[in-house]
Amino acid sequence: NAGVTQTPKFQVLKTGQSMTLQCAQDMNHEYMSWYRQDPGMGLRLIHYSVGAGITDQGEVPNGYNVSRSTTEDFPLRLLSAAPSQTSVYFCASSYDGLPYTGELFFGEGSRLTVL
Amino acid sequence: AQKVTQAQTEISVVEKEDVTLDCVYETRDTTYYLFWYKQPPSGELVFLIRRNSFDEQNEISGRYSWNFQKSTSSFNFTITASQVVDSAVYFCALSEAAEYGNKLVFGAGTILRVKS
Repeated sequence: NAGVTQTPKFQVLKTGQSMTLQCAQDMNHEYMSWYRQDPGMGLRLIHYSVGAGITDQGEVPNGYNVSRSTTEDFPLRLLSAAPSQTSVYFCASSYDGLPYTGELFFGEGSRLTVL
Repeated sequence: AQKVTQAQTEISVVEKEDVTLDCVYETRDTTYYLFWYKQPPSGELVFLIRRNSFDEQNEISGRYSWNFQKSTSSFNFTITASQVVDSAVYFCALSEAAEYGNKLVFGAGTILRVKS
């Protein structure tokens, strides 16, 4: 029972490089989202999606791109990495995105360091 | 403006003490959900409870209990007879309406350290 799978778990980038954090879920969840966790700031929503083809911005979307071409996958793209994007990233999904009710199932996190 | 406030950054207790983690929220929605999540040292996020805005009954689950008060916009979490395994970061979260479904907004978290 895989749940939410994130890859890679660790990544080091140089400023200006681009990369994609992968997220896949096998629970047929419509709702998927990306959070970043920074010390003292909790988890902040980057982008989310309520189904294939539908995405929206969260609290801190700048510097990140998402797309949702399938129900299972929700990749997060860093277009030009900056040191301020050093963080732990969590992907989460829920069976119910409309509205309010869904418990989030989280991946194990991806630790990104930008030098 | 911060939507979910966890004023206690860090709490240290001795095993078997009771401890309450505070959560104050702000929303204009009449229908909303509140959540608590636990993040143990291993780093994963574990769902603890969900409460909707129409249900103000307190809830108890083993050593855990939750006190929801709409009048003060608070959703506090109490651990009775704390144990070392309760050491973790605890997050309170508020689900708010958005253009496409809902968003879950988290507080900054409270680090709980339980010493033996």
